[in-house]
Amino acid sequence: DAGITQSPRHKVTETGTPVTLRCHQTENHRYMYWYRQDPGHGLRLIHYSYGVKDTDKGEVSDGYSVSRSKTEDFLLTLESATSSQTSVYFCAISERLAGGAGELFFGEGSRLTVL
Amino acid sequence: AQKVTQAQTEISVVEKEDVTLDCVYETRDTTYYLFWYKQPPSGELVFLIRRNSFDEQNEISGRYSWNFQKSTSSFNFTITASQVVDSAVYFCALSEAEAGNNRKLIWGLGTSLAVNP
Repeated sequence: DAGITQSPRHKVTETGTPVTLRCHQTENHRYMYWYRQDPGHGLRLIHYSYGVKDTDKGEVSDGYSVSRSKTEDFLLTLESATSSQTSVYFCAISERLAGGAGELFFGEGSRLTVL
Repeated sequence: AQKVTQAQTEISVVEKEDVTLDCVYETRDTTYYLFWYKQPPSGELVFLIRRNSFDEQNEISGRYSWNFQKSTSSFNFTITASQVVDSAVYFCALSEAEAGNNRKLIWGLGTSLAVNP
């Protein structure tokens, strides 16, 4: 199994509070991604990183920011959580961008509930 | 528009039945990659297979087989002699080139498979 851990795995928070989700990998893969999964929408890319301090937006980046200060860690921050950000968040890693010719390895997911 | 369609939202079969999950894609690229992922009830997403656009050879892995047909833009997944442990949501995805050296991964909405004893 790919060494990816997400924390926290479950979190309940209130509207307007900041939330940070952490993804940690032990595979030394260059690319890291944050997805959200919602019924009827499948998987949607929030942000991705192609190296330390190199990040870019995905299709649903509004309200989210990311940081990658080390190869192994990719943080997702909800600056001011809203109920629409209630979702399951997945971190993924790959050796090539967007899977490319290679596959994505996913973390276990973080379930976030914003009340 | 580039997209991936998994027309079957939910499928329910009885154990030992064969089941095929359909995936139809649209792309303007000549070089692209197709993937299947499995998401069991525990929630994690697991890679199953990757196919590139130049390799139309069908693949078999145990009870799993994949049929890639460029003529119909389909990449279907068959489970032979299904088992309860096959119950999961299965996602098809397409990776194609964007501007520059970027690639974009497009996901289908998934097919939920329930295998009943």
